[in-house]
Amino acid sequence: QSALTQPASVSGSPGQSITISCTGTSSDVGSYNLVSWYQQHPGKAPKLMIYEDSQRPSGVSNRFSGSKSANTASLTISGLQAEDEADYYCCSYAGSTTYVFGTGTKVTVL
Amino acid sequence: EVLLVESGGGLVQPGGSLRLSCAASGFTFSSYSMNWVRQAPGKGLEWVSYISSSSSTIYYADSVKGRFTISRDNAQNSLYLQMNSLRAEDTAVYYCARRSHQTDAFDIWGQGTMVTGSS
Repeated sequence: QSALTQPASVSGSPGQSITISCTGTSSDVGSYNLVSWYQQHPGKAPKLMIYEDSQRPSGVSNRFSGSKSANTASLTISGLQAEDEADYYCCSYAGSTTYVFGTGTKVTVL
Repeated sequence: EVLLVESGGGLVQPGGSLRLSCAASGFTFSSYSMNWVRQAPGKGLEWVSYISSSSSTIYYADSVKGRFTISRDNAQNSLYLQMNSLRAEDTAVYYCARRSHQTDAFDIWGQGTMVTGSS
């Protein structure tokens, strides 16, 4: 159950687009269409932003989008806004009803 | 309003025990599988345990297997985590999280309860 690999930090200016990668293995990310993404502001609980690789829950801005290729999933934030500054975590189903989170990425809006 | 509220955290000596609770409201608790997820100070999220809606299926992360026990009481709309043989590395904020069958993701989270394992 090794954590999925994410870049430690990503930054961008307001209005720009950024992409966060999430690399796993053929036993987790590559085996199931069950990657989800969570946004966490300091001192707050995580919030679901993307599920089933690329689906957006109701109420989540369409500036957030997800995709996946082989063992790597990605979260793209377009039209970056100050409120997007937060930590982001990917998560994948890993079989036998177990789950593995990513190492986390701190997004900074310059 | 859909809500999860954790309680029971605190300071415990290594080797000690603690029982966390999570009270659910605003949805049909008995229809959803539930999980515990933890976050050590300044660190990332770690999935800890899963329990199905009827308690028939339970899984644990290797890091807590044999020491932690997840359970639920659907009549009381409550989820529990019995933590035994606590170690310093169990120090974390513990979140309960609902697993939605619509999204197959952790769609509702509590505010978390802090567990500190220290002598």
